[in-house]
Amino acid sequence: LAKTTQPISMDSYEGQEVNITCSHNNIATNDYITWYQQFPSQGPRFIIQGYKTKVTNEVASLFIPADRKSSTLSLPRVSLSDTAVYYCLVGALYSGNTPLVFGKGTRLSVIA
Amino acid sequence: NAGVMQNPRHLVRRRGQEARLRCSPMKGHSHVYWYRQLPEEGLKFMVYLQKENIIDESGMPKERFSAEFPKEGPSILRIQQVVRGDSAAYFCASSPPEALYEQYFGPGTRLTVT
Repeated sequence: LAKTTQPISMDSYEGQEVNITCSHNNIATNDYITWYQQFPSQGPRFIIQGYKTKVTNEVASLFIPADRKSSTLSLPRVSLSDTAVYYCLVGALYSGNTPLVFGKGTRLSVIA
Repeated sequence: NAGVMQNPRHLVRRRGQEARLRCSPMKGHSHVYWYRQLPEEGLKFMVYLQKENIIDESGMPKERFSAEFPKEGPSILRIQQVVRGDSAAYFCASSPPEALYEQYFGPGTRLTVT
């Protein structure tokens, strides 16, 4: 499993764009990059997943450079309700025997 | 489409008792995962099951813990002879077979051992 490194915490003001970068230097060819969000006392929630270049959905964008050794989750115009822990995971999408490995994530605090 | 359901949401057990946690996956999902989360920690994978099969239990302690996902009914995580160190939030997730990394999590069961 590719190991991931992401900042422990980040602060942002409401209305700003937040970019959280995750390093995964030993990502394998079959690995996908997936981000989850977790609010206190709740289970994680799937945000976005990608393999290369850029993926966008109604919640966030995911930027993946050509070498795929890092990825950046971009949250546009954050609000107080975006305060949560964000996890970056890397693994093979169809590997039936590979569990999800959650690190400690990035704790995002949005300030009014 | 109802999400992943877990019950009970809160469970208090005395040391030595058994804890039984239930998880009903989302409709159409045949893969179930159990995770444990200690306060201020990330989630730790415990076990991955498909109907009537344990696929990967590498994260589950060898003693006192067991899991099943029968043909009918919810998945069960059973902890026998609980100890204080078992106090944690236990999350269940499910996924469709074609997207194993797109897991949908339940609200969790908070186990407190007194």
